[in-house]
Amino acid sequence: NAGVTQTPKFRILKIGQSMTLQCTQDMNHNYMYWYRQDPGMGLKLIYYSVGAGITDKGEVPNGYNVSRSTTEDFPLRLELAAPSQTSVYFCAAVIGAPYNEQFFGPGTRLTVL
Amino acid sequence: RKEVEQDPGPFNVPEGATVAFNCTYSNSASQSFFWYRQDCRKEPKLLMSVYSSGNEDGRFTAQLNRASQYISLLIRDSKLSDSATYLCVVTDNNDMRFGAGTRLTVKP
Repeated sequence: NAGVTQTPKFRILKIGQSMTLQCTQDMNHNYMYWYRQDPGMGLKLIYYSVGAGITDKGEVPNGYNVSRSTTEDFPLRLELAAPSQTSVYFCAAVIGAPYNEQFFGPGTRLTVL
Repeated sequence: RKEVEQDPGPFNVPEGATVAFNCTYSNSASQSFFWYRQDCRKEPKLLMSVYSSGNEDGRFTAQLNRASQYISLLIRDSKLSDSATYLCVVTDNNDMRFGAGTRLTVKP
């Protein structure tokens, strides 16, 4: 039982490139979230999903897209990378309701140059 | 006004000290409250949920004051291993909002 896994761990992108951050959970949790954390700041919600086929915008969705075709996977897509997207990205999963513990993946450190 | 505000610290305390953190939130409809711990360059991990009646887990005590819209975390008998950033989390339906965190360093 790996919990929540994220790939890659690190990535450097050039401005305008695109990439997909992968997130997979093996806990069969319905709710999944994507956050970004800038240095010295709290986590900001980008997108979330309450189940397969359902996604919603969070606090800072601009420049990102998500999909949730299966319960296990919740990839985050950056289409045109910008320096402002340099951050650490965390994926999280919660069982059933949003009121319970969030299990986080180890994060992806992204730098856009 | 930020939705969830915390004193960023840093709090530098000696081993054995008692330290308290506060967190204020702006959304009076918030439903659930948590304290998470985040070690340097790691993912956040749940420390404890915060219940209306207050709750204790060993050396850690969490309290909620809905009227004043704040939650608190008290750490007694601080250990070196308590050094971390403590994140306050407030939930409204599916939306979880994180504070920026309070950094604690416990020194020998």
